[in-house]
Amino acid sequence: TQLLEQSPQFLSIQEGENLTVYCNSSSVFSSLQWYRQEPGEGPVLLVTVVTGGEVKKLKRLTFQFGDARKDSSLHITAAQPGDTGLYLCAGVASSGTYKYIFGTGTRLKVLA
Amino acid sequence: NAGVMQNPRHLVRRRGQEARLRCSPMKGHSHVYWYRQLPEEGLKFMVYLQKENIIDESGMPKERFSAEFPKEGPSILRIQQVVRGDSAAYFCASSLEGRNYGYTFGSGTRLTVV
Repeated sequence: TQLLEQSPQFLSIQEGENLTVYCNSSSVFSSLQWYRQEPGEGPVLLVTVVTGGEVKKLKRLTFQFGDARKDSSLHITAAQPGDTGLYLCAGVASSGTYKYIFGTGTRLKVLA
Repeated sequence: NAGVMQNPRHLVRRRGQEARLRCSPMKGHSHVYWYRQLPEEGLKFMVYLQKENIIDESGMPKERFSAEFPKEGPSILRIQQVVRGDSAAYFCASSLEGRNYGYTFGSGTRLTVV
């Protein structure tokens, strides 16, 4: 069974601070995605990373896929209250399927 | 079609009743997935369907739960004889053919069993 562990589970920071969220597994994934979910809504796709070592930037968010494609990180620079939400990583479970396994989630709260 | 449409948004059922959750995928998407989310938890995979076919139902409880995606119409997740433990948010997602396109999620159906 492929599992994705996220850390930290909860994070409360002040506006303007930087933070990093981690997504780790013992399994190799062909691609990995990050989503953000706000209360009462479905997750929204932020980014897909495919190549080992790949780095993608989305404004103040930087996503990195590990060289071995077993882990990923999300770094937020100068966090804002609008970044508050549940961050989920997701990886394709195994070859031959389009089913994504979701991580345990990191709940971020950015205080003004 | 702005995205994945789920209805109803909220559903209250008494124990023993049936719950039917509907999902219309994004236009052009042929793959549909159902996930369940409990409060303060992540998303648990339930079932993956293409038109008229169940591709992977490894996350579905063996009893009381069923899913379909007919040739015409929305995908349906059906829960028979609901129990309190079925209370959760149920999310549907759709995607294009291919592993790296990512999912588009609906806003979910919040099922409460009383």
